[in-house]
Amino acid sequence: GDSVTQMEGPVTLSEEAFLTINCTYTATGYPSLFWYVQYPGEGLQLLLKATKADDKGSNKGFEATYRKETTSFHLEKGSVQVSDSAVYFCALRNAGNMLTFGGGTRLMVKP
Amino acid sequence: DAGVIQSPRHEVTEMGQEVTLRCKPISGHNSLFWYRQTMMRGLELLIYFNNNVPIDDSGMPEDRFSAKMPNASFSTLKIQPSEPRDSAVYFCASRAQGSPQETQYFGPGTRLLVL
Repeated sequence: GDSVTQMEGPVTLSEEAFLTINCTYTATGYPSLFWYVQYPGEGLQLLLKATKADDKGSNKGFEATYRKETTSFHLEKGSVQVSDSAVYFCALRNAGNMLTFGGGTRLMVKP
Repeated sequence: DAGVIQSPRHEVTEMGQEVTLRCKPISGHNSLFWYRQTMMRGLELLIYFNNNVPIDDSGMPEDRFSAKMPNASFSTLKIQPSEPRDSAVYFCASRAQGSPQETQYFGPGTRLLVL
């Protein structure tokens, strides 16, 4: 079946540091890929998406590129802020049209 | 719009007790999802409804779990009897008809602790 694997957290960074959160997936066919963010005390929110190979999703300074050859969709941001502290979930949607989520990665940004 | 509303936000109960979690989806949304989030297993889909009808409950862990959606504006997830391993954050999400699956709107979650 489909699966999504994320790097374990927490990831702790200083403000303005570069962020990478790794995500790899296993799926048949050509899934769409997503990153969600969960701020403390809130539900998940869609952050960005990419629907085909080599697409780059971007939002709020975050980027992720759909790499079919490596089955990856790593999340990056050039300069993180304290307000980026949250849990980030990688997810895919396949032909069955349901979402499969990774385990989540907690990011902590210190001033 | 108030968004997806879940209650209670926090629940502490003792093993063996019945627990009922409640969800009010966004008005006009016709799909509703229940998820469970744990450190060990991440975010898991338990069950989802379309037009108040349960479509896929294969994620429901066992018979102790049950979910209902008596009308378009209300759903419950019940655990009876509860066990310590049920401790988790339970999320409800809703989606408008015809919109992509990724545009689910999540509620703030109910944090359940079973002692």
